[in-house]
Amino acid sequence: GESVGLHLPTLSVQEGDNSIINCAYSNSASDYFIWYKQESGKGPQFIIDIRSNMDKRQGQRVTVLLNKTVKHLSLQIAATQPGDSAVYFCAEPLGLNSGYSTLTFGKGTMLLVSP
Amino acid sequence: ETGVTQTPRHLVMGMTNKKSLKCEQHLGHNAMYWYKQSAKKPLELMFVYSLEERVENNSVPSRFSPECPNSSHLFLHLHTLQPEDSALYLCASSQEVLLQETQYFGPGTRLLVL
Repeated sequence: GESVGLHLPTLSVQEGDNSIINCAYSNSASDYFIWYKQESGKGPQFIIDIRSNMDKRQGQRVTVLLNKTVKHLSLQIAATQPGDSAVYFCAEPLGLNSGYSTLTFGKGTMLLVSP
Repeated sequence: ETGVTQTPRHLVMGMTNKKSLKCEQHLGHNAMYWYKQSAKKPLELMFVYSLEERVENNSVPSRFSPECPNSSHLFLHLHTLQPEDSALYLCASSQEVLLQETQYFGPGTRLLVL
């Protein structure tokens, strides 16, 4: 049968606008979250993280908001630039059978910034 | 640059070929990972190594065989692959296999299986 590709949600903005990328997570016990950015032809890069005892954390031009009540995470990018065009992933904890812990990644959102 | 390099960047292979992907990290990390990124699924964890010991094999078919000869190098040996194995294979490293350790990714190897 025909294979269906993973269709990424896409957010298109104009340069200078503020962007908001959303992520819903599944495990109410998750206590740590990370946002990664993946530009074309590159691997994912760490942007910002947040622990569950916080509801907001700010970085340089980026802010992450955490709403544990509805299990929702958002990444806000101020004054979006063409260089911000990329796929953005949120990640939450993943327990391994070995007892270690690592991350599981969401499907991603593609951000397209027009000059 | 993230300090994690991968070779080759692109690879085309037939289903009967044997090839290997190489990853090297220059960060002094103790943990290394293989991920598969395909158009059909989100980023999938394949293998996790801590100090050259495999600590996770995430139900990966035996046609993928990892090797970690030291904490700086990680290989993924490929044999008798299927077309559905075509994907971007990403290597990552972190200081330890701990939740709050940032993972640093290489640029990936784009694999096409014919």
